[in-house]
Amino acid sequence: DADVTQTPRNRITKTGKRIMLECSQTKGHDRMYWYRQDPGLGLRLIYYSFDVKDINKGEISDGYSVSRQAQAKFSLSLESAIPNQTALYFCATSDANIRDTQYFGPGTRLTVL
Amino acid sequence: TQLLEQSPQFLSIQEGENLTVYCNSSSVFSSLQWYRQEPGEGPVLLVTVVTGGEVKKLKRLTFQFGDARKDSSLHITAAQPGDTGLYLCAGTIKAAGNKLTFGGGTRVLVKP
Repeated sequence: DADVTQTPRNRITKTGKRIMLECSQTKGHDRMYWYRQDPGLGLRLIYYSFDVKDINKGEISDGYSVSRQAQAKFSLSLESAIPNQTALYFCATSDANIRDTQYFGPGTRLTVL
Repeated sequence: TQLLEQSPQFLSIQEGENLTVYCNSSSVFSSLQWYRQEPGEGPVLLVTVVTGGEVKKLKRLTFQFGDARKDSSLHITAAQPGDTGLYLCAGTIKAAGNKLTFGGGTRVLVKP
């Protein structure tokens, strides 16, 4: 079984809809991250959480919110989706003692029409 | 302007040829990593370099961290079709809370 799972894997939605992307991990890591990937831009950090009570904005948090429901679960919400949020979204985890190594989920391809 | 610039953006070569991908910045990084990403999957860590001038080898892949810790290169010897993928460099800066900053990626295609 995959250590970091994301649901859904693909989603097509309409402008203005609320969308939630979910991430679960079985690695026992405290740190979790949400990134979006756009062609030629690499991965950009949206939000990150170092433990259940810690939530931090990343480079591009506007239009997004997150919830850390448990150590193993970190969800990303788009309150009112817009077309320029069409992208690949990745969840990642890391161990607090090996901070530089991140483990990524398989990604969610989101299309906002 | 991205903090980490990768070049080239795209590289197409024949099987057996060598290739080099570059990752450059004006900032000093406490560590730098290389990931490979295949279609439909998330990035997978290949290597982490932390010391200026460090060279690491992973089979046919050679990674180098610049002396000033501002740049890195990935060299693949005798590339194979299985090396096809998106190669991403990512760096951490202590002053920025050790969050990873990614380059734009280099898409490598190795044709049989």
